[in-house]
Amino acid sequence: GENVEQHPSTLSVQEGDSAVIKCTYSDSASNYFPWYKQELGKGPQLIIDIRSNVGEKKDQRIAVTLNKTAKHFSLHITETQPEDSAVYFCAARPHDMRFGAGTRLTVKP
Amino acid sequence: NAGVTQTPKFQVLKTGQSMTLQCAQDMNHEYMSWYRQDPGMGLRLIHYSVGAGITDQGEVPNGYNVSRSTTEDFPLRLLSAAPSQTSVYFCASSYSGADTQYFGPGTRLTVL
Repeated sequence: GENVEQHPSTLSVQEGDSAVIKCTYSDSASNYFPWYKQELGKGPQLIIDIRSNVGEKKDQRIAVTLNKTAKHFSLHITETQPEDSAVYFCAARPHDMRFGAGTRLTVKP
Repeated sequence: NAGVTQTPKFQVLKTGQSMTLQCAQDMNHEYMSWYRQDPGMGLRLIHYSVGAGITDQGEVPNGYNVSRSTTEDFPLRLLSAAPSQTSVYFCASSYSGADTQYFGPGTRLTVL
């Protein structure tokens, strides 16, 4: 089955800096790659997603890039703010959704 | 819209007890799924359903049963709870398996 690896497991940045989280996947049939943000005590919330026919997608300070040949995709957050502090999950879907283990992002004021 | 609702929010069981975690959505979504979240392991898919009357196993289905008699509801049953099932359980729904999934607030289950 699909195996999704996510790095780093923790990331600490200064406010205003950029943050990058990377994921790799194993199943070449995966065609949908969402990113979720989870705040303490809440369920995950979709922040951006990308499909296999697109290489990059942006939404204000958030962008995702996909390299299908190398089977990896990345989340980029620019101009980080303290409210960006949360756990971020990547996922890949061949037939059902498989999640990475998560990255705890801390943005220091 | 209430979105995806889950009950209860917290539950403590003794080993061997049974219970049902409830999940409901009011967005007319066809696709619903159950995940468990354990520290350092992300979310793992337990069971999913692509529509009423249709269910399928995910990555970690053992010890859990599901049914989908209506579009709105997707209950998760633990027939004989074990300490290994201590976890936070999330229900999610979407129009299809490849669309935005909306997650419920979760149920924190402890099995003693």
